[in-house]
Amino acid sequence: QSVLTQLPSASGTPGQRVTISCSGSSSNIGSNTVNWYQQLPGTAPKLLIYKNDQRPSGVPDRFSGSRSGTSASLAISGLQSEDEATYHCAAWDDTLNVDLFGGGTMLTVL
Amino acid sequence: QLQLQESGPGLVKPSETLSLTCSVSGGSISSSSYYWGWIRQPPGKGLEWIGSIYYTGSTYYNPSLQSRGTISEDTSKNQLSLRLTSVTAADTANYYCVRSAGLGDLADAFDMWGQGTMVTVSS
Repeated sequence: QSVLTQLPSASGTPGQRVTISCSGSSSNIGSNTVNWYQQLPGTAPKLLIYKNDQRPSGVPDRFSGSRSGTSASLAISGLQSEDEATYHCAAWDDTLNVDLFGGGTMLTVL
Repeated sequence: QLQLQESGPGLVKPSETLSLTCSVSGGSISSSSYYWGWIRQPPGKGLEWIGSIYYTGSTYYNPSLQSRGTISEDTSKNQLSLRLTSVTAADTANYYCVRSAGLGDLADAFDMWGQGTMVTVSS
Protein backbone atom coordinates (compact mmCIF):
# COMPACT_ATOMS: atom_id res chain seq x y z
CA GLN A 1 0.00 0.00 0.00
CA SER A 2 3.09 2.28 -0.24
CA VAL A 3 1.62 5.27 -2.07
CA LEU A 4 4.57 7.21 -0.68
CA THR A 5 7.64 6.39 -2.75
CA GLN A 6 11.13 6.09 -1.33
CA LEU A 7 14.28 4.71 -2.92
CA PRO A 8 15.07 1.41 -1.21
CA SER A 9 18.66 2.29 -0.41
CA ALA A 10 21.12 5.13 0.07
CA SER A 11 24.70 5.39 1.24
CA GLY A 12 27.30 7.86 2.38
CA THR A 13 30.65 8.14 4.06
CA PRO A 14 31.27 9.49 7.57
CA GLY A 15 31.01 13.26 7.70
CA GLN A 16 29.07 13.47 4.45
CA ARG A 17 25.62 14.99 3.99
CA VAL A 18 22.96 12.66 2.60
CA THR A 19 19.39 13.31 1.56
CA ILE A 20 16.52 10.82 1.54
CA SER A 21 13.45 11.66 -0.49
CA CYS A 22 9.79 10.74 -0.23
CA SER A 23 7.40 11.33 -3.10
CA GLY A 24 3.63 11.43 -2.75
CA SER A 25 0.60 13.20 -4.19
CA SER A 26 -1.79 16.06 -3.56
CA SER A 27 -3.94 13.93 -1.25
CA ASN A 28 -1.13 13.12 1.16
CA ILE A 29 2.15 15.07 1.22
CA GLY A 30 0.57 17.85 -0.82
CA SER A 31 -2.02 18.58 1.86
CA ASN A 32 -0.76 17.09 5.13
CA THR A 33 2.40 17.21 7.21
CA VAL A 34 5.14 14.63 6.87
CA ASN A 35 6.73 12.63 9.67
CA TRP A 36 9.97 10.66 9.53
CA TYR A 37 10.95 7.62 11.56
CA GLN A 38 14.35 6.04 12.12
CA GLN A 39 14.52 2.27 12.57
CA LEU A 40 17.84 0.93 13.77
CA PRO A 41 18.50 -2.74 12.90
CA GLY A 42 16.36 -5.09 14.98
CA THR A 43 14.55 -2.33 16.85
CA ALA A 44 11.22 -0.51 16.75
CA PRO A 45 10.94 2.70 14.74
CA LYS A 46 11.54 5.99 16.54
CA LEU A 47 10.07 9.38 15.67
CA LEU A 48 12.79 11.50 14.07
CA ILE A 49 11.00 14.46 12.43
CA TYR A 50 7.38 15.59 12.81
CA LYS A 51 5.28 18.30 11.14
CA ASN A 52 7.70 18.34 8.16
CA ASP A 53 10.67 19.90 9.93
CA GLN A 54 10.32 19.64 13.72
CA ARG A 55 12.73 17.58 15.82
CA PRO A 56 11.54 15.84 19.01
CA SER A 57 13.61 16.47 22.09
CA GLY A 58 16.85 14.51 21.97
CA VAL A 59 17.15 14.29 18.17
CA PRO A 60 20.42 15.89 17.03
CA ASP A 61 20.20 18.94 14.79
CA ARG A 62 22.18 16.98 12.19
CA PHE A 63 18.77 15.70 11.15
CA SER A 64 16.47 18.06 9.27
CA GLY A 65 13.29 17.71 7.26
CA SER A 66 11.59 19.71 4.54
CA ARG A 67 8.53 19.54 2.34
CA SER A 68 7.89 21.05 -1.08
CA GLY A 69 4.74 20.41 -3.05
CA THR A 70 4.09 16.67 -3.08
CA SER A 71 7.58 15.64 -1.98
CA ALA A 72 9.50 15.64 1.27
CA SER A 73 13.14 15.19 2.17
CA LEU A 74 15.17 14.13 5.17
CA ALA A 75 18.72 15.44 5.33
CA ILE A 76 21.45 14.06 7.54
CA SER A 77 24.61 16.10 7.85
CA GLY A 78 27.89 15.00 9.43
CA LEU A 79 26.96 11.37 8.79
CA GLN A 80 27.94 8.97 11.56
CA SER A 81 28.14 5.18 11.69
CA GLU A 82 25.27 5.08 14.18
CA ASP A 83 23.01 6.68 11.56
CA GLU A 84 22.98 3.38 9.67
CA ALA A 85 19.27 2.54 9.76
CA THR A 86 16.09 2.41 7.71
CA TYR A 87 14.25 5.72 7.39
CA HIS A 88 10.49 5.78 6.84
CA CYS A 89 8.39 8.75 5.76
CA ALA A 90 4.69 8.98 6.62
CA ALA A 91 1.72 11.23 5.93
CA TRP A 92 -2.06 11.10 6.24
CA ASP A 93 -3.92 10.54 2.97
CA ASP A 94 -7.22 12.44 2.68
CA THR A 95 -8.58 10.21 -0.10
CA LEU A 96 -7.73 6.82 1.39
CA ASN A 97 -8.28 8.00 4.99
CA VAL A 98 -5.19 6.18 6.15
CA ASP A 99 -1.87 7.06 7.68
CA LEU A 100 0.49 6.10 4.85
CA PHE A 101 4.11 5.03 5.10
CA GLY A 102 6.77 4.94 2.44
CA GLY A 103 8.54 1.67 1.77
CA GLY A 104 11.58 2.81 3.74
CA THR A 105 15.12 3.74 2.70
CA MET A 106 17.96 1.70 4.14
CA LEU A 107 20.95 3.97 4.75
CA THR A 108 24.41 2.43 4.74
CA VAL A 109 27.40 4.30 6.14
CA LEU A 110 30.40 3.16 4.14
CA GLN B 1 8.29 7.19 31.75
CA LEU B 2 5.70 5.91 29.32
CA GLN B 3 6.15 2.33 28.17
CA LEU B 4 4.13 0.20 25.77
CA GLN B 5 4.45 -3.58 25.87
CA GLU B 6 2.83 -5.89 23.35
CA SER B 7 1.95 -9.48 24.14
CA GLY B 8 0.21 -12.37 22.43
CA PRO B 9 0.75 -15.71 20.71
CA GLY B 10 3.65 -15.83 18.31
CA LEU B 11 1.96 -18.38 16.06
CA VAL B 12 -1.56 -18.34 14.66
CA LYS B 13 -3.13 -20.80 12.25
CA PRO B 14 -4.56 -19.63 8.91
CA SER B 15 -8.26 -18.62 9.04
CA GLU B 16 -8.10 -18.17 12.83
CA THR B 17 -8.16 -14.93 14.84
CA LEU B 18 -5.04 -13.05 15.90
CA SER B 19 -5.36 -11.40 19.32
CA LEU B 20 -2.78 -9.04 20.79
CA THR B 21 -2.68 -6.90 23.91
CA CYS B 22 -0.70 -3.74 24.61
CA SER B 23 -0.06 -2.89 28.27
CA VAL B 24 0.59 0.80 28.88
CA SER B 25 2.55 1.96 31.93
CA GLY B 26 3.59 5.44 32.99
CA GLY B 27 0.53 7.05 31.42
CA SER B 28 -3.23 6.58 31.04
CA ILE B 29 -4.92 5.42 27.85
CA SER B 30 -7.97 7.36 29.10
CA SER B 31 -6.16 10.65 28.45
CA SER B 32 -7.98 12.96 26.06
CA SER B 33 -4.63 14.03 24.68
CA TYR B 34 -3.77 10.88 22.76
CA TYR B 35 -4.79 8.22 20.29
CA TRP B 36 -3.54 4.66 20.70
CA GLY B 37 -3.10 2.26 17.85
CA TRP B 38 -1.37 -0.54 16.03
CA ILE B 39 1.15 -0.61 13.19
CA ARG B 40 2.61 -3.73 11.62
CA GLN B 41 5.68 -4.56 9.58
CA PRO B 42 6.00 -7.79 7.55
CA PRO B 43 9.54 -9.23 7.57
CA GLY B 44 11.82 -7.17 5.34
CA LYS B 45 9.01 -4.81 4.34
CA GLY B 46 7.63 -1.39 5.20
CA LEU B 47 5.25 -0.20 7.90
CA GLU B 48 1.47 -0.38 7.66
CA TRP B 49 -0.94 1.51 9.92
CA ILE B 50 -3.67 -0.85 11.13
CA GLY B 51 -5.85 1.52 13.11
CA SER B 52 -6.24 3.74 16.14
CA ILE B 53 -8.64 4.33 19.04
CA TYR B 54 -9.45 7.50 20.96
CA TYR B 55 -10.39 7.65 24.65
CA THR B 56 -14.03 8.18 23.66
CA GLY B 57 -13.99 4.73 22.09
CA SER B 58 -14.01 6.04 18.52
CA THR B 59 -12.02 3.80 16.23
CA TYR B 60 -10.33 4.35 12.89
CA TYR B 61 -9.11 1.56 10.64
CA ASN B 62 -7.08 1.07 7.49
CA PRO B 63 -9.63 0.06 4.80
CA SER B 64 -7.09 -2.43 3.43
CA LEU B 65 -7.97 -4.71 6.36
CA GLN B 66 -11.43 -5.12 4.85
CA SER B 67 -13.17 -4.94 8.24
CA ARG B 68 -11.18 -7.83 9.74
CA GLY B 69 -9.63 -5.70 12.46
CA THR B 70 -11.04 -4.56 15.80
CA ILE B 71 -9.23 -2.31 18.27
CA SER B 72 -10.59 -1.99 21.79
CA GLU B 73 -9.47 -0.64 25.14
CA ASP B 74 -9.73 -1.80 28.74
CA THR B 75 -9.30 1.32 30.83
CA SER B 76 -9.39 -0.64 34.10
CA LYS B 77 -6.26 -2.50 33.02
CA ASN B 78 -4.80 0.39 31.00
CA GLN B 79 -4.56 -1.90 27.98
CA LEU B 80 -5.57 -1.83 24.36
CA SER B 81 -6.18 -4.84 22.19
CA LEU B 82 -6.16 -5.85 18.57
CA ARG B 83 -8.22 -8.63 17.03
CA LEU B 84 -7.65 -9.60 13.42
CA THR B 85 -9.93 -12.28 12.01
CA SER B 86 -9.49 -14.74 9.14
CA VAL B 87 -5.73 -14.36 9.08
CA THR B 88 -3.54 -15.53 6.21
CA ALA B 89 0.20 -15.72 5.67
CA ALA B 90 0.03 -12.10 4.52
CA ASP B 91 -0.72 -11.11 8.12
CA THR B 92 2.66 -12.43 9.29
CA ALA B 93 4.39 -9.38 10.70
CA ASN B 94 5.91 -7.60 13.66
CA TYR B 95 3.04 -5.80 15.38
CA TYR B 96 3.73 -2.52 17.20
CA CYS B 97 1.57 -0.67 19.71
CA VAL B 98 1.81 3.11 19.19
CA ARG B 99 0.67 6.47 20.54
CA SER B 100 -0.09 9.69 18.68
CA ALA B 101 -1.38 13.09 19.74
CA GLY B 102 -3.75 13.24 16.79
CA LEU B 103 -4.92 11.45 13.67
CA GLY B 104 -4.94 12.90 10.20
CA ASP B 105 -4.00 16.29 11.52
CA LEU B 106 -0.90 18.21 12.51
CA ALA B 107 -0.36 16.04 15.57
CA ASP B 108 -0.54 12.60 14.01
CA ALA B 109 3.09 11.59 14.50
CA PHE B 110 3.52 8.28 16.33
CA ASP B 111 5.77 9.48 19.14
CA MET B 112 5.83 6.36 21.30
CA TRP B 113 6.28 2.75 20.16
CA GLY B 114 6.32 -0.58 21.87
CA GLN B 115 9.16 -2.99 21.13
CA GLY B 116 6.89 -5.04 18.90
CA THR B 117 5.76 -8.64 18.90
CA MET B 118 6.29 -11.02 15.99
CA VAL B 119 3.27 -13.00 14.82
CA THR B 120 3.60 -15.80 12.29
CA VAL B 121 0.57 -17.22 10.50
CA SER B 122 1.22 -20.83 9.65
CA SER B 123 -0.38 -24.24 10.04
